Amino acid sequence: QVQLVQSGAELKKPGASVKVSCTASGYTFTSYDINWVRQAPGQGLEWMAWMNPNNGNTGYAQKFQGRVTITRNTSISTVYMEVSSLRSEDTAVYYCARVLGILPDYWGQGTLVTVSS
Amino acid sequence: QSALTQPRSVSGSPGQSVTISCTGTSSDVGGYNYVSWYQQHPGKAPKLLIYDVTKRPSGVPDRFSGSKSGNTASLTISGLQTEDEADYYCCSYAGSYTFIIFGGGTELTVL
Repeated sequence: QVQLVQSGAELKKPGASVKVSCTASGYTFTSYDINWVRQAPGQGLEWMAWMNPNNGNTGYAQKFQGRVTITRNTSISTVYMEVSSLRSEDTAVYYCARVLGILPDYWGQGTLVTVSS
Repeated sequence: QSALTQPRSVSGSPGQSVTISCTGTSSDVGGYNYVSWYQQHPGKAPKLLIYDVTKRPSGVPDRFSGSKSGNTASLTISGLQTEDEADYYCCSYAGSYTFIIFGGGTELTVL
């Protein structure tokens, strides 16, 4: 069965960076894009970025351009999302999701990133 | 680009039907047949209910159905069950510049 397993919760200080991992199993890793979506406490879903794990191509929401970087390691079926220059407004649950066609289908369990001094 | 517009909340009694709307523009919902709907219970990851406007993944009950007219997509849940109480989000492709946009979410209460 398709599974996306994300790394554990993080507590970071303002200005720091965080790197969240997403390890896929149950399907051919390079055959499906991965999206990153975040959800601030009590808020809705916000799309951040995508990656094609086969060729490494990426795309970012304008809001996150220059502050978010998506990378991958195909040997371990893992995609990474790094967010730099963290501020309190970045406190959220970050999800990775496999893409079916254009939009997400299977989602990871989520990673809580808390930004606090 | 602003989020797609969904009602903040809807409610219904067990066995009834409810419809949740998702209004965008010709640059997103109206421009492509790429609309998905997700169900999210508190503290859980979203679950895909509908993709490509009307398609249901295997395992999703046929009580859930999707449609679209112009710039508005809709999710209809028939035969409401108590376990349907959750938040629902629509999502649309919005072109090669904006990529993907979500609705603000709708809280469904089953009375």
